[in-house]
This record gives sequence, C-alpha cells and structure tokens, in this order.
Amino acid sequence: RKEVEQDPGPFNVPEGATVAFNCTYSNSASQSFFWYRQDCRKEPKLLMSVYSSGNEDGRFTAQLNRASQYISLLIRDSKLSDSATYLCAVSGVWNTDKLIFGTGTRLQVFP
Amino acid sequence: GAVVSQHPSRVICKSGTSVKIECRSLDFQATTMFWYRQFPKQSLMLMATSNEGSKATYEQGVEKDKFLINHASLTLSTLTVTSAHPEDSSFYICSASGTSASTDTQYFGPGTRLTVL
Repeated sequence: RKEVEQDPGPFNVPEGATVAFNCTYSNSASQSFFWYRQDCRKEPKLLMSVYSSGNEDGRFTAQLNRASQYISLLIRDSKLSDSATYLCAVSGVWNTDKLIFGTGTRLQVFP
Repeated sequence: GAVVSQHPSRVICKSGTSVKIECRSLDFQATTMFWYRQFPKQSLMLMATSNEGSKATYEQGVEKDKFLINHASLTLSTLTVTSAHPEDSSFYICSASGTSASTDTQYFGPGTRLTVL
C-alpha cells in the first residue's frame, strides 16, 4: 500500500463548480499535512497547510480527519486558472522531516 | 516566502556523461535539503535527504554511487548524476528547509529537466 494515496482523476468540471479531493495516508504518526499545486512541467507550490481544526483560504478549504487518516481539499467557484494537479503531502513534526507526496489529482476546469 | 534556485533549468547530455545540478537557498540557511525525481505523469519521489556537513540519507532503491549528493554549505547542495543513461531522464527538484525560514514546510526549487540521449 502506498503511504499517500490520491485519486489521479482527471476531474473535469465547469467554471463555477465545487470540487473536492481526498487523500489518504497510512502512517498514523504523520503530523504535518499539506496541499500543493503543480502546473505542467513546473515545481509544486504550496497551496495550504492543513490543520486539525480545518482551515480556509478564500475559495479553498482543507480538512484533516486523523481518525480515518485522510485530508481533503474543497475548491468552490472553480476558475479556469485552477486547472492543475493537486498533490497532497504528509510529513513529521519538523520542517526538516521528509515530505511524502501522493500521486496527485488532475483538475481540468472548462468554460 | 523563501527562495530556492536550481541550475541548470534544463540539460541535455549524452549517455555515459555526468551531470551536476545545483540547488541554492537564496535568502535563508538551509540546514536540510531534499532531492526529488518526477517522471512524466507521476508524483514526486524522494531520492535523498541531505543535511549540511554530513552524508546524505538515500531512500530505498536509490543508488548512492550513481546519484552523488554534496551539501557542503548552508546555502548549496549539489546532485551529480554519474554515467547518465536514458532512463535517468526525468525532472529533478530540490527543496530546502531551515530554522531561519518562517515556515512550517519546505521551499521548492524550480526543477531541472534532464534529458539523456
């Protein structure tokens, strides 16, 4: 079983739609959780960290469920510019701990 | 946010040659740097973790004699792909973290696309 798993998609949604991605992780000792966005042939860029209480940043909402060992990302009012691959990542407590990435979920927003 | 650079951004080389990729933290001291590899349509796979002044820790299945990592200073780590072969063609990305960066995560470089002919 992979340490971090995601549905590869693609998710094809119209502009304005709400879309949700889930990511499961196998290591119950994981302490830090993140969502990254990666555009084609570019490096991943941090979208948001995921906190136990859940957190929101504009149209993006991230949640963590430790009991079930999954994190989610909700995108509301999708824009064409949201088209990208979304990677979840987990690590330990410190920023010097290695990040384990999921395979990514491809999102395509169409007009 | 903190800035990490990589050089070169793209390199094409002949089979059998060695290629060196540099990763620099421009505005913070990177106590730890990570090297990832990403094949097309796949996720980032961690190759190794390097701490300044010590030997790198390689992930299972990564040949340390083929992928030489040096982290001689707090702002520079290098990855040398020795005797490169076409199957080494990939997107190599470094990331860096350090106590002086006000963040709880790693900062990624822009990546180096390696093509081995």
